[in-house]
Amino acid sequence: KAGVTQTPRYLIKTRGQQVTLSCSPISGHRSVSWYQQTPGQGLQFLFEYFSETQRNKGNFPGRFSGRQFSNSRSEMNVSTLELGDSALYLCASSGGQGTYNEQFFGPGTRLTVL
Amino acid sequence: AQSVTQLDSQVPVFEEAPVELRCNYSSSVSVYLFWYVQYPNQGLQLLLKYLSGSTLVESINGFEAEFNKSQTSFHLRKPSVHISDTAEYFCAVSDYGNKLVFGAGTILRVKS
Repeated sequence: KAGVTQTPRYLIKTRGQQVTLSCSPISGHRSVSWYQQTPGQGLQFLFEYFSETQRNKGNFPGRFSGRQFSNSRSEMNVSTLELGDSALYLCASSGGQGTYNEQFFGPGTRLTVL
Repeated sequence: AQSVTQLDSQVPVFEEAPVELRCNYSSSVSVYLFWYVQYPNQGLQLLLKYLSGSTLVESINGFEAEFNKSQTSFHLRKPSVHISDTAEYFCAVSDYGNKLVFGAGTILRVKS
């Protein structure tokens, strides 16, 4: 079974631009969560989508948004990029048969904001 | 609100020596506890989890962790480490739901 895939793996943007990151969950998983990882703040929860609805949200500004499609693929968008948005963005899927709260992480997208 | 404290940012240890990575959590409700491992330039991999039942949980590669409710701890141990265990380890907690709250991480450096 294929794991969680994230595209692109690396991105370089400049301040003020916007960016869209994509996540394809494990087949059959209906929940997709997003996390930001930085050296200063560590791993922080952004939001979770389940069946195309945002089910949970972390403490991030409105510049961070997401959505989920009917095939469970998810995208997150960051508008008006700031230097502090440079981070590894991790996507995790869950909900496969026989699991409970077990999340499977993708390799991440490393975003650099110049 | 939940929180997780990993007491050591780095733990150096010689190969074949035992190791313990400490994790304490704070929560007002029943929780589920996890240890994840992250190798350089990779995502997180689940190492082991405590959901309910036996307080001692084991992974397939020799790690174990014990849930101690009275001390609100979930320390990770391995009796004999290998060079390949060098990585960053994250303790995480969640209540009923998929939001994980992570500790700051502990870098395990295994030296030969």
